[in-house]
Amino acid sequence: GQQLNQSPQSMFIQEGEDVSMNCTSSSIFNTWLWYKQDPGEGPVLLIALYKAGELTSNGRLTAQFGITRKDSFLNISASIPSDVGIYFCAVMNSGGSNYKLTFGKGTLLTVNP
Amino acid sequence: GAVVSQHPSWVICKSGTSVKIECRSLDFQATTMFWYRQFPKQSLMLMATSNEGSKATYEQGVEKDKFLINHASLTLSTLTVTSAHPEDSSFYICSAEQGSYGYTFGSGTRLTVV
Repeated sequence: GQQLNQSPQSMFIQEGEDVSMNCTSSSIFNTWLWYKQDPGEGPVLLIALYKAGELTSNGRLTAQFGITRKDSFLNISASIPSDVGIYFCAVMNSGGSNYKLTFGKGTLLTVNP
Repeated sequence: GAVVSQHPSWVICKSGTSVKIECRSLDFQATTMFWYRQFPKQSLMLMATSNEGSKATYEQGVEKDKFLINHASLTLSTLTVTSAHPEDSSFYICSAEQGSYGYTFGSGTRLTVV
């Protein structure tokens, strides 16, 4: 199946610092998504990217869809304690009659107050 | 916004018994729902795609006779783990497709088989 390479695997930062994480793939995808998962919860969509080169912001979060359509990054500025969680990139790919999501392995973010 | 309710949030069952997990779309109709499995510190792995009124499509390596999926209405899909064993202990998450609005996830079910 498709594989997404997400890095870093984990990050430990101080409150107020900026964070950057990225995902790459050997295949081209037309939609990249970024999710956050809190412990014991399902993922929540942060940002959706539909166009190569697109740069989209959601508050302190900014994500870009790589021009090659094989990568994406997510930046979090001025981190706060509630940013703690696991961040996943995901792509939409066709699975027969349905589109399915494939997730990266996740980036565990810890923010020290 | 779109809300997907998953129930129960956690369940403990004895080895050999069956467990049913429900996934409901509360304020929209979902023709397609998805079931994922997540082991600790790992990513979400798609188990199956559930289409209302038809048989589910299972991913390679997922036993369809062990993980029974029923999507009898546009707002409800169920996953039944039959003859559960300790290795089935995991976090199960459903999601529902809401047309062009994308996918909304439930809050997950923690299954522990003892």
